[in-house]
Amino acid sequence: KQEVTQIPAALSVPEGENLVLNCSFTDSAIYNLQWFRQDPGKGLTSLLLIQSSQREQTSGRLNASLDKSSGRSTLYIAASQPGDSATYLCAVRRVETSGSRLTFGEGTQLTVNP
Amino acid sequence: EADIYQTPRYLVIGTGKKITLECSQTMGHDKMYWYQQDPGMELHLIHYSYGVNSTEKGDLSSESTVSRIRTEHFPLTLESARPSHTSQYLCASGRTGGFGYTFGSGTRLTVV
Repeated sequence: KQEVTQIPAALSVPEGENLVLNCSFTDSAIYNLQWFRQDPGKGLTSLLLIQSSQREQTSGRLNASLDKSSGRSTLYIAASQPGDSATYLCAVRRVETSGSRLTFGEGTQLTVNP
Repeated sequence: EADIYQTPRYLVIGTGKKITLECSQTMGHDKMYWYQQDPGMELHLIHYSYGVNSTEKGDLSSESTVSRIRTEHFPLTLESARPSHTSQYLCASGRTGGFGYTFGSGTRLTVV
């Protein structure tokens, strides 16, 4: 059974800091991994998607890496801003055979203070 | 087993047809969502519901409509399909107060 763990559970930083969010998964046989953002009362917003054959993806100030063999992914946020405050979730999709669900971690709640 | 189900899994239809994508969950979740995702691209929220008779449009403009008459059922309807609607549609559900979401396996729609 796939288990996804995110560390830390909560993080509070001053504006402008670079930060790293961690995600680990127990079954390395994944199809892809996604990082999502969730704002209070809203649905999920997908940030980055990494295919199992890729090592990293970048979008603006965000960079996500994937080390499938060790079961780890990191989300790097550069020059954090108060608008980055949200809960960040990583999710893995298992190998696409008969269709599969996304397995989510419990998230990291990020607060960026002005 | 409590789960979330989407049907059909794959659908190829002609332009102008009306279609309904089905989504049902047996987990008693109050929140349900529809997302659209193109291959290798990110998910975009198109509709969501926080309970029976509650529906809202999401961040991505969509020509589809949804209904939530029963807690477990959240169908999505396209009145007149067009090739631009070709995409994967993912249904998800969650519980108020929880972080966890369960997504269905998706419906891959092709409009020719």
